[in-house]
Amino acid sequence: DTGVSQDPRHKITKRGQNVTFRCDPISEHNRLYWYRQTLGQGPEFLTYFQNEAQLEKSRLLSDRFSAERPKGSFSTLEIQRTEQGDSAMYLCASSLSGRNSNQPQHFGDGTRLSIL
Amino acid sequence: AQTVTQSQPEMSVQEAETVTLSCTYDTSENNYYLFWYKQPPSRQMILVIRQEAYKQQNATENRFSVNFQKAAKSFSLKISDSQLGDTAMYFCAFRGTYKYIFGTGTRLKVLA
Repeated sequence: DTGVSQDPRHKITKRGQNVTFRCDPISEHNRLYWYRQTLGQGPEFLTYFQNEAQLEKSRLLSDRFSAERPKGSFSTLEIQRTEQGDSAMYLCASSLSGRNSNQPQHFGDGTRLSIL
Repeated sequence: AQTVTQSQPEMSVQEAETVTLSCTYDTSENNYYLFWYKQPPSRQMILVIRQEAYKQQNATENRFSVNFQKAAKSFSLKISDSQLGDTAMYFCAFRGTYKYIFGTGTRLKVLA
């Protein structure tokens, strides 16, 4: 079990630039989640995929944010025209599906984004 | 809307003592799951314990146990025989259909 992998671990960029993060979930997990976590806060839900379908997007996810999971395996989260307020830890998690499944999410180490 | 509230931003406990972290939630769903996650400083978030709402019996995992009060919508975590390695942020989380809602966390410090 290689766990959930996120790349890069850290990203520093200037305001206005575009950034893209990658998440590789645990191989048999068909659910994939993106969260944003700011210092001292809990993870805030951004979006969720079941296989390749993006089933929900939070209102936190402005039109500058887009996520994809093209083949139902890895996922990317892109932020366009970054702003200072985008500075945060971006967490990816994966789990097995099932309406009545108590399977928990497994988290990656996160990508820390710093906007200069 | 579903919400999760952790009213204790910070707590401390002496090594080997017992501590209880509180969590309340609000939902109109009847079938759901509750979780406690631990996030050590600069480290990955990991699952501590989980509880299915349809089970009346409180979950237990070694030194960790919960007090699940469904009618009161309360889900507290008890850590017995606290160890220095328990120092971390603890997040309570609710899951309905598929979406997870996390509380703001309780920072627990275990003192030697």
